[in-house]
Formats: sequence, C-alpha cells, structure tokens
Amino acid sequence: SQTIHQWPATLVQPVGSPLSLECTVEGTSNPNLYWYRQAAGRGLQLLFYSVGIGQISSEVPQNLSASRPQDRQFILSSKKLLLSDSGFYLCAWSKGQGNYGYTFGSGTRLTVV
Amino acid sequence: AQSVTQPDIHITVSEGASLELRCNYSYGATPYLFWYVQSPGQGLQLLLKYFSGDTLVQGIKGFEAEFKRSQSSFNLRKPSVHWSDAAEYFCAVGGADGLTFGKGTHLIIQP
Repeated sequence: SQTIHQWPATLVQPVGSPLSLECTVEGTSNPNLYWYRQAAGRGLQLLFYSVGIGQISSEVPQNLSASRPQDRQFILSSKKLLLSDSGFYLCAWSKGQGNYGYTFGSGTRLTVV
Repeated sequence: AQSVTQPDIHITVSEGASLELRCNYSYGATPYLFWYVQSPGQGLQLLLKYFSGDTLVQGIKGFEAEFKRSQSSFNLRKPSVHWSDAAEYFCAVGGADGLTFGKGTHLIIQP
C-alpha cells in the first residue's frame, strides 16, 4: 500500500534561518506531489506541485521554493524564514489526474520566532 | 479560476442530530469534488470523492454527499452525528494541478 511521510512534525525556527521540509511517498511511482500551507483562519493554500523529477510549478510567489530530486521525494525550502512563513505545511500526492484522490501527510507545524 | 465556497464557518449540532455542511464550487469543466476532515493538529483525511456517475456518493464514517450540477453544490450530510465528528471539514475541487479548498467549516458537537 502507498504511504506518505513528512518530517519533522514540529519545528521552531528563528527569523532569517533556513528551512528544509521533506516529504516522501512509498508504494507508488511517478506520483504528482504537492505542498500546501494552512495558516490560521486562511484555509489551505497550494504552494507548489510537481508532475515529475525536476518539474516544479509555483502557485503563489513567496519566500519559499520546492525541489524534487527523486521521483518520490519532495522538498520545501527557504533561504531566510519570515514571521509570515509560520503555519501548518502539508504534503500530498495523487496519481495521474487526481481521480483516485489525494492523500495527505500528517503535516509539519512551523513556528517562526 | 476554480473556487470553493463553504458559507458556514462554524456549525453547532447536538449529538444524534442530522448534519448538512454546504459547499458550492466554480469550475470550468466537470469537477472532481472532495470532502476532507481534519482533527486538531492533524493532516487531512478523505471522507469521500466524486468524479462521475451516481451523484450521491457514500463515504467513510457514515457520511454522504450529493453532487448537484444545476446548483454547483456538493453538500456533505450525515443522518446522526457523534461527538467524535467534531472537527474541521474542507470541501475541495480540482484535478492534476492540485486541489482548491474552501476555507473550512468548524463542526461543534453539543452533548
């Protein structure tokens, strides 16, 4: 069966520090991968998605970047964190057009102080 | 651009009572529609999804949803809620380039 792993679960980082969140999927190949952010009172916002290795689409210009170095690995990064980067980050995967649904990881709670 | 509206930010229901959570969407083609549930501090769990076919969709935990194209709606229902149903519920629409979520409805269960 397919599983999705996200880590770390929680992270407290000072303003100006770098960020790296990792997401991996097991049990499938060539998944579509997604990063979402959930800020307080603002719902879920799609940040990036990827349909293949090295292919990244950005939905919202911001202080973050994403990379997909391997088929089932998706990384969210920042060179210098801002206070406004605080939130709950969720990774998700889908197969093909998404008609089998999207499966989400358990999320990373990021607090920038 | 696609969008999802969940008009109710909070809903309070007595345990054992019926529930309906509203969802309206805007999408240029036949939509893929989803309902997810999120418990505090947790990820999202898929309750049910609609792609085509029967407009009444059955999901997990006794939930169902009905797709009404004429009303651009995909409302979530449950005949009798349990205290464990208290959570945040998200309606979403989308395809291969990702999901667009509503802002969520916070469900409170009264004893």
